[in-house]
Amino acid sequence: NAGVTQTPKFQVLKTGQSMTLQCAQDMNHNSMYWYRQDPGMGLRLIYYSASEGTTDKGEVPNGYNVSRLNKREFSLRLESAAPSQTSVYFCASSEALQGAGYGYTFGSGTRLTVV
Amino acid sequence: AQSVTQLGSHVSVSEGALVLLRCNYSSSVPPYLFWYVQYPNQGLQLLLKYTTGATLVKGINGFEAEFKKSETSFHLTKPSAHMSDAAEYFCAVSEIPGGSYIPTFGRGTSLIVHP
Repeated sequence: NAGVTQTPKFQVLKTGQSMTLQCAQDMNHNSMYWYRQDPGMGLRLIYYSASEGTTDKGEVPNGYNVSRLNKREFSLRLESAAPSQTSVYFCASSEALQGAGYGYTFGSGTRLTVV
Repeated sequence: AQSVTQLGSHVSVSEGALVLLRCNYSSSVPPYLFWYVQYPNQGLQLLLKYTTGATLVKGINGFEAEFKKSETSFHLTKPSAHMSDAAEYFCAVSEIPGGSYIPTFGRGTSLIVHP
């Protein structure tokens, strides 16, 4: 089925370890986004990519880096994981940045625990 | 700047009763408004959206929402709750040209449905 695929679904890291969360979409969307979801906080934007070759910071970018590898793939990297980064991470896509005004397609999430 | 307030982190209803989830927004330009639903351990799914035109919008699973500019509200309703409606619901606002396209999400309302 067409959509947004995230890997892994679950991950446990030790403080200081690094890892990369992968996201791929097969809808030929131009724009992609990374959010984190914490209880009672809703969704907060970490980084986004309006189009291939561009990335921009969102509301909570500290401690993260991103790479827009190609039109399909947008990865999120934690260089030195901290317990405060324990969260559920969602990747989303839209036809274009302006298309964000018409709704996103979300992946099923990555549950990350940092101990 | 845009913002969203969802009144009530939890709403509890009996099966067959009216569902009302409240959402108020602030926006400096005409907004696009959304409701998303998140079932346990899944990503967010677009339930309905208002962009322009008719202020009463219908979505999936029998839900609808009405855009009231004078009240800056976009409340979500369903006449008769079903057990399968139990989920987390998020309201979001996006500012159309002139503002930021990227939606701001509310903190979510958990809908609990009792038999």
